[in-house]
Amino acid sequence: SQTIHQWPATLVQPVGSPLSLECTVEGTSNPNLYWYRQAAGRGLQLLFYSVGIGQISSEVPQNLSASRPQDRQFILSSKKLLLSDSGFYLCAWSVWGAPGGRQYEQYFGPGTRLTVT
Amino acid sequence: AQKVTQAQTEISVVEKEDVTLDCVYETRDTTYYLFWYKQPPSGELVFLIRRNSFDEQNEISGRYSWNFQKSTSSFNFTITASQVVDSAVYFCALSETYSTSGTYKYIFGTGTRLKVLA
Repeated sequence: SQTIHQWPATLVQPVGSPLSLECTVEGTSNPNLYWYRQAAGRGLQLLFYSVGIGQISSEVPQNLSASRPQDRQFILSSKKLLLSDSGFYLCAWSVWGAPGGRQYEQYFGPGTRLTVT
Repeated sequence: AQKVTQAQTEISVVEKEDVTLDCVYETRDTTYYLFWYKQPPSGELVFLIRRNSFDEQNEISGRYSWNFQKSTSSFNFTITASQVVDSAVYFCALSETYSTSGTYKYIFGTGTRLKVLA
């Protein structure tokens, strides 16, 4: 079965500091990977998605960047955090071409709660 | 443009009451998929159901049931005999079904916070 991990679970960082959040998926090959952000009390905003190693698409211009150095690893980074980067960051995966409509399903990780102070 | 509206921001019910969460969507696609996710206090989004636009049969899974009505562009979610463990934020989502990017992106509603009181 497939599992998705995110770490750290919580993070408190000062403004201007760098950021690195990691997401890994087990039990599947060549997944599509996604980073979402959820601001406090709000819905989910798609930040980045990746359909393969080194392939990153950005949905929202911002202070963040993403990388996919390995097939099942997705990293969210920032060189200098802003207060507005605070939120709950969720990683998700899906499988392009999965049968029976399952290719449209996204499965989410446990999330990282980031507080920028 | 595609859009998902969850007009109920927060609902409170007493345990054992039935509760319906509303979801209204907009899309020009003739083929599309709809989803419900549960986000408990721990934060992880838990997949509940996928429904394609060609299948208007209602679905029941234990205390959960879903009513998909294409005529009103609605995909409502009912919890029967609610329990405290049902307390969570529930999200409705719409997936595009045509893609040149190699993936299908979701449009999420803003979520409905359900509080079930003991």
